[in-house]
Amino acid sequence: GDSVTQMEGPVTLSEEAFLTINCTYTATGYPSLFWYVQYPGEGLQLLLKATKADDKGSNKGFEATYRKETTSFHLEKGSVQVSDSAVYFCALNFGGFKTIFGAGTRLFVKA
Amino acid sequence: DTAVSQTPKYLVTQMGNDKSIKCEQNLGHDTMYWYKQDSKKFLKIMFSYNNKELIINETVPNRFSPKSPDKAHLNLHINSLELGDSAVYFCASSQDGRAEAFFGQGTRLTVV
Repeated sequence: GDSVTQMEGPVTLSEEAFLTINCTYTATGYPSLFWYVQYPGEGLQLLLKATKADDKGSNKGFEATYRKETTSFHLEKGSVQVSDSAVYFCALNFGGFKTIFGAGTRLFVKA
Repeated sequence: DTAVSQTPKYLVTQMGNDKSIKCEQNLGHDTMYWYKQDSKKFLKIMFSYNNKELIINETVPNRFSPKSPDKAHLNLHINSLELGDSAVYFCASSQDGRAEAFFGQGTRLTVV
């Protein structure tokens, strides 16, 4: 079945470090891909998305590129801040009224 | 103005009780969802509705009954609560079945 696998956390970085959170998916067909972020005590918010192969989603300094050949959608940021500390979820959606989420990766950024 | 609002934010109740969680969205979306997030942050869909019609019921026990009185509301009623029902329940909405979802703040349910 369709699934999303993302790197296990927690990921701990110092401020201004480079961030990569890996995400790969298994799917038959061409889903839309998303990264959501969840801050403590809040619901999930869309961070960025890509709807077709080679699309790059970007927002707030975060980027991810839809790679069909490697079925990946890795999240990157060049310089993280303490305020980026949160749980990050990779997700896919085929248009079947169901978004499938990865297990989440907790990020801690130290000052 | 909160886009997706759910109430209550916290719910503590005893085993065997019946409780409801309400959800409203003011985004004009046609599709609404209930998700369950466990203590390890794993997020699983429970139900999705489109134009008030049930589209997905993801093998949820029938103690859980969603109800959509109109496109802007999707409530969740839970009968005979069990300890294993303790989790955070999120309501969400989207423009259609493929678009990104907008989430409420969650309802933390604790069954004691």
